[in-house]
Amino acid sequence: GAGVSQSPRYKVAKRGQDVALRCDPISGHVSLFWYQQALGQGPEFLTYFQNEAQLDKSGLPSDRFFAERPEGSVSTLKIQRTQQEDSAVYLCASSPLGNTIYFGEGSWLTVV
Amino acid sequence: GQQVMQIPQYQHVQEGEDFTTYCNSSTTLSNIQWYKQRPGGHPVFLIQLVKSGEVKKQKRLTFQFGEAKKNSSLHITATQTTDVGTYFCAGAGGYSGAGSYQLTFGKGTKLSVIP
Repeated sequence: GAGVSQSPRYKVAKRGQDVALRCDPISGHVSLFWYQQALGQGPEFLTYFQNEAQLDKSGLPSDRFFAERPEGSVSTLKIQRTQQEDSAVYLCASSPLGNTIYFGEGSWLTVV
Repeated sequence: GQQVMQIPQYQHVQEGEDFTTYCNSSTTLSNIQWYKQRPGGHPVFLIQLVKSGEVKKQKRLTFQFGEAKKNSSLHITATQTTDVGTYFCAGAGGYSGAGSYQLTFGKGTKLSVIP
């Protein structure tokens, strides 16, 4: 497709379960970002990749959160031992270096 | 760390009235971006402002970046029902130590337009 694609769109996880969220950026985009958006809030930065290199992971809330982009294209955000406070929309965005950021439609995670 | 405050949190206007949302950063920014998010949707890029005092227009939307590069505003003239959504400002980089790629979003202004 032409846009940033995320899957799954919706995920309900039991507390303690591990989840993996996938992002397919726009082809050729060097930069890839993950943001977390809680209900009624603005997106909050989690991590940034330039190609396969994770240049900034300062926004990851705990060591239960892990992101990778091994071949510089598809990225996966993994959350281990999910907790209720992890419930949020996880937005992936990609960009040609230094230009407009394009967001995907997000993965809506609910932890019960 | 860098903080971006946005007001008002909510705004209800009659169709045809004007609307303004304001954004203030605790630190000087390298640039500021504006996004629109429809209910249930994802943020969609509207514009980026880079220069001190910059003003840009997109049809009925006017964006301003303050002289000190710490504040910004979005003004919509004669609102329409299609303008409904949440408008976010997002500040990038500057002197806070954050990378120029790292956007700090405000909490957004949710606009409702009464037909």
